[in-house]
Amino acid sequence: EAQVTQNPRYLITVTGKKLTVTCSQNMNHEYMSWYRQDPGLGLRQIYYSMNVEVTDKGDVPEGYKVSRKEKRNFPLILESPSPNQTSLYFCASSFIGQNSPLHFGNGTRLTVT
Amino acid sequence: AQKITQTQPGMFVQEKEAVTLDCTYDTSDPSYGLFWYKQPSSGEMIFLIYQGSYDQQNATEGRYSLNFQKARKSANLVISASQLGDSAMYFCAMRESDSGYSTLTFGKGTMLLVSP
Repeated sequence: EAQVTQNPRYLITVTGKKLTVTCSQNMNHEYMSWYRQDPGLGLRQIYYSMNVEVTDKGDVPEGYKVSRKEKRNFPLILESPSPNQTSLYFCASSFIGQNSPLHFGNGTRLTVT
Repeated sequence: AQKITQTQPGMFVQEKEAVTLDCTYDTSDPSYGLFWYKQPSSGEMIFLIYQGSYDQQNATEGRYSLNFQKARKSANLVISASQLGDSAMYFCAMRESDSGYSTLTFGKGTMLLVSP
């Protein structure tokens, strides 16, 4: 089944404790992206990648890191999480093109205390 | 300036009625794509419908249609014959060629509630 898989679904952590949210897609998509969703703000892009070893900042990259060592994987790393990073996170992927819809993972609800 | 504006934070509709969710966009790019997504309370993002800037006809997918008015830069989603399962958050989004068709920019969403 074609899908984007992100883990974990729920994560509660404490301030400053490094964490990684994994994301993997099996559709051979070149493009992958991370978004965060907050009430009243919609989805905001954190980072994206157009291909292996090619990553770029989105609208809200501060406090996040990504890597794209393989085409299928695009992990999101929070080196030192803070409470303002409490949010719902989505990984998404697509082919590159005007008419290519993003395929989303099921989301990771992160709480930083 | 916001690239995607959804002016209706919430909408109510009765079952079996049609509803229009508004979306206006801002771009100087002649080539772009417009998307609508549905997010039910379970949280997943579901792709509904796509409209290209050069498409001559309005897109349709089952009960979903897009009222695309290019000169007004609007791409309203029309849901016909609403069902209880249509209750969800709906997002309009745009992909532009001058971003290399990379970034999909989202509006803030409209919450639709369908009542029996």
